[in-house]
Amino acid sequence: AQKITQTQPGMFVQEKEAVTLDCTYDTSDPSYGLFWYKQPSSGEMIFLIYQGSYDQQNATEGRYSLNFQKARKSANLVISASQLGDSAMYFCAMRIYNFNKFYFGSGTKLNVKP
Amino acid sequence: SQTIHQWPATLVQPVGSPLSLECTVEGTSNPNLYWYRQAAGRGLQLLFYSVGIGQISSEVPQNLSASRPQDRQFILSSKKLLLSDSGFYLCAWSNGGATDTQYFGPGTRLTVL
Repeated sequence: AQKITQTQPGMFVQEKEAVTLDCTYDTSDPSYGLFWYKQPSSGEMIFLIYQGSYDQQNATEGRYSLNFQKARKSANLVISASQLGDSAMYFCAMRIYNFNKFYFGSGTKLNVKP
Repeated sequence: SQTIHQWPATLVQPVGSPLSLECTVEGTSNPNLYWYRQAAGRGLQLLFYSVGIGQISSEVPQNLSASRPQDRQFILSSKKLLLSDSGFYLCAWSNGGATDTQYFGPGTRLTVL
């Protein structure tokens, strides 16, 4: 069975510092994709970054990077130079290739302090 | 570019009343469509997904149902709402490819009183 685990219910970070949000996953399928979403207080889920299981390099999108460690089955999100607008819930998700379901973690609430 | 719409944005309904939430996608054809529910401060619960017109997969047995009458339209319904149906309902689409990404609508906040 597929499972996503986010062990940090809440985190604080100082503005302009980097922060790492943890995500571990469990699957026996070798072909999958990993995703991170941001959910601000407005509720909309915003796609941030994607990593494929066969990608050799870690994905990056602006201030977001995904620290993909396949052997450890971890896909941590790194946000560099945190901004006040980064305060939100962050969800890690996984999808097995050629299957239609996405599996979501329970989320991490990030608070950026000025 | 693709756009996903949901309405209404907020809804307050009495227990036992019917429900109809609508989701439409623009700028793509034959998308996979999804309905999720999110309780306050919690994660996402997949309710239904659809890979084509008239094709609905149910993930959680409950008093909700879904329909896909057109390629880019997905409707969530209930004949009689329960208090436990309160929550934030999110519609999402993906293109169904091997490495596709899921994109979400703005959501509907439902309160059942």
